[in-house]
Amino acid sequence: GQNIDQPTEMTATEGAIVQINCTYQTSGFNGLFWYQQHAGEAPTFLSYNVLDGLEEKGRFSSFLSRSKGYSYLLLKELQMKDSASYLCAVTDSNYQLIWGAGTKLIIKP
Amino acid sequence: DGGITQSPKYLFRKEGQNVTLSCEQNLNHDAMYWYRQDPGQGLRLIYYSQIVNDFQKGDIAEGYSVSREKKESFPLTVTSAQKNPTAFYLCASSALEASTGELFFGEGSRLTVL
Repeated sequence: GQNIDQPTEMTATEGAIVQINCTYQTSGFNGLFWYQQHAGEAPTFLSYNVLDGLEEKGRFSSFLSRSKGYSYLLLKELQMKDSASYLCAVTDSNYQLIWGAGTKLIIKP
Repeated sequence: DGGITQSPKYLFRKEGQNVTLSCEQNLNHDAMYWYRQDPGQGLRLIYYSQIVNDFQKGDIAEGYSVSREKKESFPLTVTSAQKNPTAFYLCASSALEASTGELFFGEGSRLTVL
């Protein structure tokens, strides 16, 4: 079956750096997304990786290794507003999106 | 401003009642989707549509119905046949020609069955 694994919850300190991992086992691969979702709100797009390597976008970076079935989202200079769930999703060979359960990130002062 | 509008934001239903959730987009996207989100689980696809007057079942279509009479609109009906309808429902759209297939989401509708 198809599976995406992320940690359920993580805690970090304001101003620090946190890395949220995502591992996937899917039938084929056509890209990996990271979305941010604040409680009770809609997910918003953060990043898209289809080739191996690091994509940097301001305080957020996303890394992909297709051979390892692995990605991470790196958040730098954490702010209180970064407290949210972070969803990893993979597009499989049929271009269907498979979603992880999300990682709830708690930022402490 | 372009975007996706879902209504109502909160909805309460008695058992045995059908309810319809509205989803409207003005992004000129061809594809629209309905997802269900439950605590501790990933988003699960209910139905999707890539063209007017056509739609496909997703992974958990039982107990739900949709229509796509206009490009802008993709309403979801939660029928009395859905055994556990209490959930957060998200509508999304995407441009089929986009290289990434990024989804744009509405604000969500939270349905509670009393």
